[in-house]
Amino acid sequence: AQSVAQPEDQVNVAEGNPLTVKCTYSVSGNPYLFWYVQYPNRGLQFLLKYITGDNLVKGSYGFEAEFNKSQTSFHLKKPSALVSDSALYFCAVRAGGATNKLIFGTGTLLAVQP
Amino acid sequence: DARVTQTPRHKVTEMGQEVTMRCQPILGHNTVFWYRQTMMQGLELLAYFRNRAPLDDSGMPKDRFSAEMPDATLATLKIQPSEPRDSAVYFCASGFGPPGIYEQYFGPGTRLTVT
Repeated sequence: AQSVAQPEDQVNVAEGNPLTVKCTYSVSGNPYLFWYVQYPNRGLQFLLKYITGDNLVKGSYGFEAEFNKSQTSFHLKKPSALVSDSALYFCAVRAGGATNKLIFGTGTLLAVQP
Repeated sequence: DARVTQTPRHKVTEMGQEVTMRCQPILGHNTVFWYRQTMMQGLELLAYFRNRAPLDDSGMPKDRFSAEMPDATLATLKIQPSEPRDSAVYFCASGFGPPGIYEQYFGPGTRLTVT
């Protein structure tokens, strides 16, 4: 069965420092991977996705993610964190078969300190 | 700027009452999802539709929950009767394109409190 894991409930980083939010996955077949962000009292917003092609995927708000097949990881990164990046981040993988369903991780709360 | 809209944004009701939540997907999107988010369970998929047909409602408690798409511009989620454990934020999302490849667009959610 397809699954994703976000091993950190919370990540703390100082403004201006690089940030990484971790995600590992388990799939049968080709992985279709997504990152979403949720700001307080808002719905989830799409950040980026990996379907095929380059392992480094660039997305919204300066975020990028690196697909690593050997390590089955899809970590979210940003070179320089902003206080406004503080939010809840979800990794997701497409469920198996020809489906639109996504399986979401448990979320990682990113806290960027000024 | 196309958005998914949900009504109501907040709902407080008493146990046993019927609750109806509505969603207007982005025009042209052919797939609609209903999710529930709680602190304990995280984000759970309740049901989803493609071209208005229900494809999967395995995440939904069948005895009290029902989801429908009366037309392409409206999706509804009903709870009857409601229970305190149904208190959560309910999100609708819509999407379009080949299965699983295109992103989902989420609405702002309906925060339900059942007392």
